[in-house]
Amino acid sequence: SQKIEQNSEALNIQEGKTATLTCNYTNYSPAYLQWYRQDPGRGPVFLLLIRENEKEKRKERLKVTFDTTLKQSLFHITASQPADSATYLCALDINNNDMRFGAGTRLTVKP
Amino acid sequence: DTAVSQTPKYLVTQMGNDKSIKCEQNLGHDTMYWYKQDSKKFLKIMFSYNNKELIINETVPNRFSPKSPDKAHLNLHINSLELGDSAVYFCASSQDLPAGYNEQFFGPGTRLTVL
Repeated sequence: SQKIEQNSEALNIQEGKTATLTCNYTNYSPAYLQWYRQDPGRGPVFLLLIRENEKEKRKERLKVTFDTTLKQSLFHITASQPADSATYLCALDINNNDMRFGAGTRLTVKP
Repeated sequence: DTAVSQTPKYLVTQMGNDKSIKCEQNLGHDTMYWYKQDSKKFLKIMFSYNNKELIINETVPNRFSPKSPDKAHLNLHINSLELGDSAVYFCASSQDLPAGYNEQFFGPGTRLTVL
């Protein structure tokens, strides 16, 4: 069956450390993978997009990797801050019109 | 300026009623979507709408019908509401398709509670 799994429901880290979130998928062959941030009571906000032929993408303190052999994407936040606390969602394209989202990982950065 | 707006933000109604949720985007995008986020926080696509072509997720009951009066609006109408329809509904838009290549802009969500 097709699945998108994000490593853990919740992740707690200390301020200043690097947060690493995992997105694993099975029985999909996405051409694109996206990461979103969702704060409580709000809609998701787009962060990064990576294509299947890209190994890594960076944006400020964010880094995403995409390994189509392992069927895995890693999302890193370096020098994490309490303001980074949120739920992070990965999403894969299924076809031209359809995106499938993972359940998300709730990140808490403690001061 | 709000890029994607939805009304109402909260909607509480009785089983069996018919209700609508409105969505507007001022980004000039060609594609709009409706998503449902259930209590387990899974975000599931319900519809995508691009250049007057409606793509329906096959798992969506036909009690749900999107209506697009123009490119900037995609409203969601729900007939005969059921308890299981309680969720947060998000409208989103993107410049175009394919969905995976274009970042999506989400609205603030509408929390629907069916009693």
